[in-house]
Amino acid sequence: EAQVTQNPRYLITVTGKKLTVTCSQNMNHEYMSWYRQDPGLGLRQIYYSMNVEVTDKGDVPEGYKVSRKEKRNFPLILESPSPNQTSLYFCASSPPERENTGELFFGEGSRLTVL
Amino acid sequence: GEDVEQSLFLSVREGDSSVINCTYTDSSSTYLYWYKQEPGAGLQLLTYIFSNMDMKQDQRLTVLLNKKDKHLSLRIADTQTGDSAIYFCAEFSTGGGNKLTFGTGTQLKVEL
Repeated sequence: EAQVTQNPRYLITVTGKKLTVTCSQNMNHEYMSWYRQDPGLGLRQIYYSMNVEVTDKGDVPEGYKVSRKEKRNFPLILESPSPNQTSLYFCASSPPERENTGELFFGEGSRLTVL
Repeated sequence: GEDVEQSLFLSVREGDSSVINCTYTDSSSTYLYWYKQEPGAGLQLLTYIFSNMDMKQDQRLTVLLNKKDKHLSLRIADTQTGDSAIYFCAEFSTGGGNKLTFGTGTQLKVEL
């Protein structure tokens, strides 16, 4: 089944404890992206990647890192999480033929709480 | 920069029509999307319209685009309880790099 898989789906952590949210897609998509969803703010892009070893900042990259060593994986790294990073995170991907239309395939989301 | 706005809540009775509105600012938008988010799930593409179109109909869904006013709407006919979800408007533009910008989302509640 074609899908975007995120792990963990739910996580409660404490300030300063490094964590990684993994994202994997099995559709051979070149474009991948991370968004955070907050009430009243919609989805805001954190980072995106056009292809392997190519990553760029989105609208709200502060406090986050990403890497794209393989096409299928695009992990989101919080080196020192803070409470303002409590949010619902979505990974998304897009095939080459859709990169010029903006259509995205989303994972199911990872709800992160930082105490 | 780009800005996409939606009202936060809409409540309708089952069987009525729902109309969810969206305004955007980027005149270089090429595609405009409606995504649906059910509770505890990711976003799913519902429908989209190319910017040179005025209207698109897909079963119970009708998308209207007023490009002059930069106004997009989604009409759901015969709204059912299964339509209760958050609906996100998104605009895609190639100006300044390919970018998809989402609205704040409209929570649709369908009452019996």
